[in-house]
Amino acid sequence: QKEVEQDPGPLSVPEGAIVSLNCTYSNSAFQYFMWYRQYSRKGPELLMYTYSSGNKEDGRFTAQVDKSSKYISLFIRDSQPSDSATYLCAMRGQNDMRFGAGTRLTVKP
Amino acid sequence: EPEVTQTPSHQVTQMGQEVILRCVPISNHLYFYWYRQILGQKVEFLVSFYNNEISEKSEIFDDQFSVERPDGSNFTLKIRSTKLEDSAMYFCADSLRKGGDYGYTFGSGTRLTVV
Repeated sequence: QKEVEQDPGPLSVPEGAIVSLNCTYSNSAFQYFMWYRQYSRKGPELLMYTYSSGNKEDGRFTAQVDKSSKYISLFIRDSQPSDSATYLCAMRGQNDMRFGAGTRLTVKP
Repeated sequence: EPEVTQTPSHQVTQMGQEVILRCVPISNHLYFYWYRQILGQKVEFLVSFYNNEISEKSEIFDDQFSVERPDGSNFTLKIRSTKLEDSAMYFCADSLRKGGDYGYTFGSGTRLTVV
């Protein structure tokens, strides 16, 4: 079983839609959970950072962590064409960060 | 905003040649990382580095790879004898704290093409 599982998509939505991106994981030691956004031929850019279970909101983005189910989500409200990118979940315990495969999102005008 | 700078942006090399990928981390960050991303695949951890030594490395980081911080500012990844399968984007990242409590800052990457 992979440490971090993420559906690679691609996912295509109309502008204004609510987007839901998800990852599951197997390592109970993971405590810190992050979402990165990656544009083509660029490095990952940190979007959201959460520690332990619960929700965290930042503008149009909401990150959700359910440690009991080993499941994390990123919601994007009122999606914009500029949100079109690959979204990577990432997580770590005491050691270094591990990434999901990334979900490619396209928001169509 | 502080950023991690990587050079070159694109390097083409012949199989069997040595390459050195360079990174200039953010000045007060102390933990450094190399990741790679083969085209269309996930971002994979290679190595972490702190206090002039390797903290952790993955199984990908075999004897043909090495890292060093030669002058206190640059952070380099050397691949001694490149193979076709080393073709990938290589990302340098850094963090203020171990493991990146507030996430890592990534550079824009070096695209390595081995021919």
